[in-house]
Amino acid sequence: DTAVSQTPKYLVTQMGNDKSIKCEQNLGHDTMYWYKQDSKKFLKIMFSYNNKELIINETVPNRFSPKSPDKAHLNLHINSLELGDSAVYFCASSDRKDTQYFGPGTRLTVL
Amino acid sequence: KDQVFQPSTVASSEGAVVEIFCNHSVSNAYNFFWYLHFPGCAPRLLVKGSKPSQQGRYNMTYERFSSSLLILQVREADAAVYYCAVCDDKIIFGKGTRLHILP
Repeated sequence: DTAVSQTPKYLVTQMGNDKSIKCEQNLGHDTMYWYKQDSKKFLKIMFSYNNKELIINETVPNRFSPKSPDKAHLNLHINSLELGDSAVYFCASSDRKDTQYFGPGTRLTVL
Repeated sequence: KDQVFQPSTVASSEGAVVEIFCNHSVSNAYNFFWYLHFPGCAPRLLVKGSKPSQQGRYNMTYERFSSSLLILQVREADAAVYYCAVCDDKIIFGKGTRLHILP
């Protein structure tokens, strides 16, 4: 059973499009996160979301918006995609102060 | 500002013990978490706690505001990015340390 899953695994799209990446966790965790693996392969946190409290990294463009329909899901919506958005995006979940469990990643390519 | 500090790169020869140091300025953080990340794959937890601990080849030292991850008998396959994190009311990650294995 997959603990943290992301769909799609690969996403190729044109500049200017709007796209979403979905994340689901079946661990019963109360906090979920989105990370971007940057061009130097380091992870940078984008958002964390706990019980309807959204904590945003101020460096994230407002074209990126997390949406949480329920506690088990945190989707990432991206408007007006740019070339620089190409990256691997990781979702994670945790019980607020404990270990984070990461999804397998979504490789986004913007053409 | 609450921050976690770790070196951006560490290099070692195979078979050696590698130490990756981490310290933080988060006043209410007591637990350290060490994660391993092979870029493109899901990061995973190696070791965590508020006292020295060991998981296989991974040892964690502990001081109130600092911790080191020790990797015993390092091998080429250990080349990856290692993250230190602490938690007060939220998880705060360091920027990651890239481990290079020298030929």
